[in-house]
Amino acid sequence: AQKVTQAQTEISVVEKEDVTLDCVYETRDTTYYLFWYKQPPSGELVFLIRRNSFDEQNEISGRYSWNFQKSTSSFNFTITASQVVDSAVYFCALRGGLAAGNKLTFGGGTRVLVKP
Amino acid sequence: GAGVSQSPRYKVAKRGQDVALRCDPISGHVSLFWYQQALGQGPEFLTYFQNEAQLDKSGLPSDRFFAERPEGSVSTLKIQRTQQEDSAVYLCASSQGQTGITEAFFGQGTRLTVV
Repeated sequence: AQKVTQAQTEISVVEKEDVTLDCVYETRDTTYYLFWYKQPPSGELVFLIRRNSFDEQNEISGRYSWNFQKSTSSFNFTITASQVVDSAVYFCALRGGLAAGNKLTFGGGTRVLVKP
Repeated sequence: GAGVSQSPRYKVAKRGQDVALRCDPISGHVSLFWYQQALGQGPEFLTYFQNEAQLDKSGLPSDRFFAERPEGSVSTLKIQRTQQEDSAVYLCASSQGQTGITEAFFGQGTRLTVV
């Protein structure tokens, strides 16, 4: 069975502070994919980043960066220099290999509030 | 349109009523998913289509839930004899490929309230 845990339910920061969101996952698959989605008040889930299990290189994309550590089954996500528009609920998600089907397993989400 | 479109955006149903929720995926997307999101929680998988074939319906909570995608494009999620616990946001997503590699694009959801 697959499981995603986001221990932080809510984070509040002041604009320009960095925000790091924690994600821990469980899977028996050797090949899997990890995602971060953002859900603004409008409701739709917006895709942010994807990582493959066989590529542990951490990257930066604009103000977003992520730290994927297979040894600890963690896939943390950082927003640098936060802005008010970053206020949303952020979801970490896991998709297993082909044998596990194509469904995403989501964590419970972390609400981020960026104050001006 | 360019994105995934869902209708209606909001639906209020009396307990016991049947409802139908519609999803228009991104044109050409092979895969289509339905998720249920309860208030304050993450989305939970309901069912998955590859073209018109329903390949996974393991997440449907009861036989009152039924989904179809007859022509491999538009999909409808039907809930019969709605109950209060069915109140949630129902999200539809589509993705281009047949595998789990490509990301899924989500619609804005249908908020169902059963009274």
